[in-house]
Amino acid sequence: QKEVEQNSGPLSVPEGAIASLNCTYSDRVSQSFFWYRQYSGKSPELIMSIYSNGDKEDGRFTAQLNKASQYVSLLIRDSQPSDSATYLCAVPRGSARQLTFGSGTQLTVLP
Amino acid sequence: ETGVTQSPTHLIKTRGQQVTLRCSSQSGHNTVSWYQQALGQGPQFIFQYYREEENGRGNFPPRFSGLQFPNYSSELNVNALELDDSALYLCASSGGTGRRQETQYFGPGTRLLVL
Repeated sequence: QKEVEQNSGPLSVPEGAIASLNCTYSDRVSQSFFWYRQYSGKSPELIMSIYSNGDKEDGRFTAQLNKASQYVSLLIRDSQPSDSATYLCAVPRGSARQLTFGSGTQLTVLP
Repeated sequence: ETGVTQSPTHLIKTRGQQVTLRCSSQSGHNTVSWYQQALGQGPQFIFQYYREEENGRGNFPPRFSGLQFPNYSSELNVNALELDDSALYLCASSGGTGRRQETQYFGPGTRLLVL
């Protein structure tokens, strides 16, 4: 079992719809979770962090965490073509708190 | 913009050569982590430097080495380049402890092609 798993997609949604991106993790003691957005040919950009069970909202983005199910998700409301990117889920591990990433979900928002 | 800079942006080398990649961390950050990202994959942790000392290492061979300088900038050196070393190399900086240490901001990356 991979430490962090994401559906690789690709995921396509129409403009204005809600995009739902999912991530599961294997280490039950994980406490922090991050979502990065990566445009093609660019580096990852931090968009959300979440530490507590429940929802955390930031503009059109909502992160959801369920530690009992070892599941974290990212919802993008009113999706725009500019949201088309690969979304990476990351969990800190080890003494250095290095980030362990999923393989990413490629999202395409269709105009 | 994260304030993390990397150089060069692109690099082409041949198998067996050596390469040095550079990173300047965000102001106020004392921790630099290096990652390798192959096409279609998530970034893989290479190592981390904290206050000029290696603070953790991923599953990479010893020909991947690094340094951190007193101003917290960092270098990644790769010796005896192999074709599989072709990837995007990412530097991330963070500061403090706990959640601040975990919150990492990436530079633009260096794309390395080994022929």
